[in-house]
Amino acid sequence: GDSVTQMEGPVTLSEEAFLTINCTYTATGYPSLFWYVQYPGEGLQLLLKATKADDKGSNKGFEATYRKETTSFHLEKGSVQVSDSAVYFCALPPLNSGNTPLVFGKGTRLSVIA
Amino acid sequence: IAGITQAPTSQILAAGRRMTLRCTQDMRHNAMYWYRQDLGLGLRLIHYSNTAGTTGKGEVPDGYSVSRANTDDFPLTLASAVPSQTSVYFCASSDKAGDNSPLHFGNGTRLTVT
Repeated sequence: GDSVTQMEGPVTLSEEAFLTINCTYTATGYPSLFWYVQYPGEGLQLLLKATKADDKGSNKGFEATYRKETTSFHLEKGSVQVSDSAVYFCALPPLNSGNTPLVFGKGTRLSVIA
Repeated sequence: IAGITQAPTSQILAAGRRMTLRCTQDMRHNAMYWYRQDLGLGLRLIHYSNTAGTTGKGEVPDGYSVSRANTDDFPLTLASAVPSQTSVYFCASSDKAGDNSPLHFGNGTRLTVT
């Protein structure tokens, strides 16, 4: 079935470092792709999304480009801050699934140190 | 502030006891979901409801039941808790099922079954 695979964490970076969190997907078509973020003690919230190939989603300095050729949707940020410390989830809606909701990756924990 | 309210925030429960986790949303979303989050396993869907009066099974439904008597409420019941149900439980909603609507999450219920 449709699924996403994320790089395993945890990832620890110094403030202002460059961030990449890899996400690849397996899907029967070309679904929308999502990144969600979970800050400590909170539920997940949508960070960004892309609805078709070559689309770039962006929010709060984060970007991800939907690459059909490599079936990837890697999350990037040029200069991370301590406040970016969180768990990041890649997700997609499974097609032909009877309207069941998003399938999430296992999450990647990011810790940014000052 | 509009959103999803989960209760209780945390609970310690003896094995064999019955427990209902409450979830209420005030966004008039049609679809609601219950996930559990476990270290190393990410988010797994327990049950979902695409509209009031209907429910469906997710990836890990055994030992859990849900009801959707109205649009706003989606309680999750553990009929006879077991230690393997120790987890953080998240309720979520979306405007519609299956149309790539973003999911809105509550802040979770941390349940420990002893």
